[in-house]
Amino acid sequence: ELKVEQNPLFLSMQEGKNYTIYCNYSTTSDRLYWYRQDPGKSLESLFVLLSNGAVKQEGRLMASLDTKARLSTLHITAAVHDLSATYFCAVDIKAGGTSYGKLTFGQGTILTVHP
Amino acid sequence: NAGVMQNPRHLVRRRGQEARLRCSPMKGHSHVYWYRQLPEEGLKFMVYLQKENIIDESGMPKERFSAEFPKEGPSILRIQQVVRGDSAAYFCASSPDVYYGYTFGSGTRLTVV
Repeated sequence: ELKVEQNPLFLSMQEGKNYTIYCNYSTTSDRLYWYRQDPGKSLESLFVLLSNGAVKQEGRLMASLDTKARLSTLHITAAVHDLSATYFCAVDIKAGGTSYGKLTFGQGTILTVHP
Repeated sequence: NAGVMQNPRHLVRRRGQEARLRCSPMKGHSHVYWYRQLPEEGLKFMVYLQKENIIDESGMPKERFSAEFPKEGPSILRIQQVVRGDSAAYFCASSPDVYYGYTFGSGTRLTVV
């Protein structure tokens, strides 16, 4: 059974600081996604990582994927209060033995950015 | 493009009643996925459907739960004889035929009283 583990699960940061969230997974996959969820809301897609060595950046967030190490990172640069949310990574594996479509999510990292 | 539409947003059912959750995928998307999020937990895969076909239902509880995606109309997740443990947020996602990236709906929050 695929396991996806995020750490830390809780992250309290000061504005302006940098930090990294880690996502480890237990089986071979070259498709990984990062999502953001605000309380009571749906999931907002942040990054789609489709190959080993993929790196994507959007604003203060940067995500990378190392399929050999089965590790993805979400790096936060100069955090601001608006980044406070829960962040999930999700690994995509083949459903029904055919096509992709079965996401396994990490537990989520609750990020709180303080002034 | 209206995005993935789920309704109702909130649903309250008494124990033993049936719950029907609806999901209309984005225009042009023929793949639908259902996930359940229990309080303070991540999302868990339930089922993957294409039009009139169930591709993978390995995450569906064996009893009381069923899903369909008919040729016409929305996908339906049906929970019969609900119990308190079914209280959760149920999210639907869809994707186009070129399957990378999934768009999630706003979810249905089911409360069983």
